[in-house]
Amino acid sequence: GNSVTQMEGPVTLSEEAFLTINCTYTATGYPSLFWYVQYPGEGLQLLLKATKADDKGSNKGFEATYRKETTSFHLEKGSVQVSDSAVYFCALPTDSWGKLQFGAGTQVVVTP
Amino acid sequence: GAVVSQHPSRVICKSGTSVKIECRSLDFQATTMFWYRQFPKQSLMLMATSNEGSKATYEQGVEKDKFLINHASLTLSTLTVTSAHPEDSSFYICSAPLQGGSGELFFGEGSRLTVL
Repeated sequence: GNSVTQMEGPVTLSEEAFLTINCTYTATGYPSLFWYVQYPGEGLQLLLKATKADDKGSNKGFEATYRKETTSFHLEKGSVQVSDSAVYFCALPTDSWGKLQFGAGTQVVVTP
Repeated sequence: GAVVSQHPSRVICKSGTSVKIECRSLDFQATTMFWYRQFPKQSLMLMATSNEGSKATYEQGVEKDKFLINHASLTLSTLTVTSAHPEDSSFYICSAPLQGGSGELFFGEGSRLTVL
């Protein structure tokens, strides 16, 4: 079945630093890929998505490109802020409608 | 965008009591909802799939009698933690997919359960 692997955290970095969170996937075909973000004490929010190969999803300064050659969907932001401190989850659909397979989550801590 | 709301956001109860958590889709109909449990090290565990008008489908290892799920309408699913114990303390999150969408899930705010 479809699966996703993302880098472990926590990732600690200073404000304005460059952030990369690696995500690789195994899937049948070319499913949509998602990044979700969870701020402290809250549920998950969709951060960005890409629905087909070579698509780039972007939101709030974050970007991720759907790369079928490397089966990756790495999340990047050029200059992080303290408010970006959160847990980030990579996800893709399973073969059951509506059900997503989530990575383990990567905690990001941005210090002033 | 599609909105999913959970209530209560926090609940504290005594051991042995039951607690009900509601999950509502506010601006769309959800024939399916998913209930997750999140552990302190942040990993999400899918507990069950809630299906409107039929029985929930539980993931392996999840006790059906402990975690009762009812999906009574197209906009409401409830999770009842029965005879709660301290080990049931956790963050419970519901989500729902949007029919015709590109497969993303919309999540509730989560419910923090603390069992004393």
